Amino acid sequence: GAVVSQHPSWVICKSGTSVKIECRSLDFQATTMFWYRQFPKQSLMLMATSNEGSKATYEQGVEKDKFLINHASLTLSTLTVTSAHPEDSSFYICSARGGSANTDTQYFGPGTRLTVL
Amino acid sequence: SQKIEQNSEALNIQEGKTATLTCNYTNYSPAYLQWYRQDPGRGPVFLLLIRENEKEKRKERLKVTFDTTLKQSLFHITASQPADSATYLCALRLDSNYQLIWGAGTKLIIKP
Repeated sequence: GAVVSQHPSWVICKSGTSVKIECRSLDFQATTMFWYRQFPKQSLMLMATSNEGSKATYEQGVEKDKFLINHASLTLSTLTVTSAHPEDSSFYICSARGGSANTDTQYFGPGTRLTVL
Repeated sequence: SQKIEQNSEALNIQEGKTATLTCNYTNYSPAYLQWYRQDPGRGPVFLLLIRENEKEKRKERLKVTFDTTLKQSLFHITASQPADSATYLCALRLDSNYQLIWGAGTKLIIKP
């Protein structure tokens, strides 16, 4: 139980294009989802927290107009990187909490490697 | 300032020995602490959670201790195996919105 999937697992795009990343909780309802980014050999950096049906709460320094988060259902959240630039290249990871899974624990997706050319 | 520290240098352990990883924090009062495993290019996988009122937690070959006086958690892997090689992350939960504060992780290498 408590499986979280992400799609795509990797994506390469041209500078200026937008990229959408999906995060799904497969066997539980996620009341809260989190989006992180991680640079090589660095810690996870929380970008935003989203609760189903409400606007995401962004961490300081994260541009909400650039990183659009939608949490329309209890099993799906999406992160859209708008007008991507090479500095947005990173490893993006989502996590989910809630449902019958241990509500104190975040369950992570496998991550999405974004490369912007 | 608030910070979480994990040994940034890789830890090399001989197979079969016990590996011990350290997580130190300052200026936090965590409700609980979690340990995760992360393999290259993958998301973290939850291993163990220990609450502020617990001293020790075990799961198979894993053991976690939590000393709120020392502000330190130790993560032990007994009878280590090469398959245990990965980066291990500690994370603190502070408040009711379930956000986690993460350490940078320690890379563990188990040599056959």
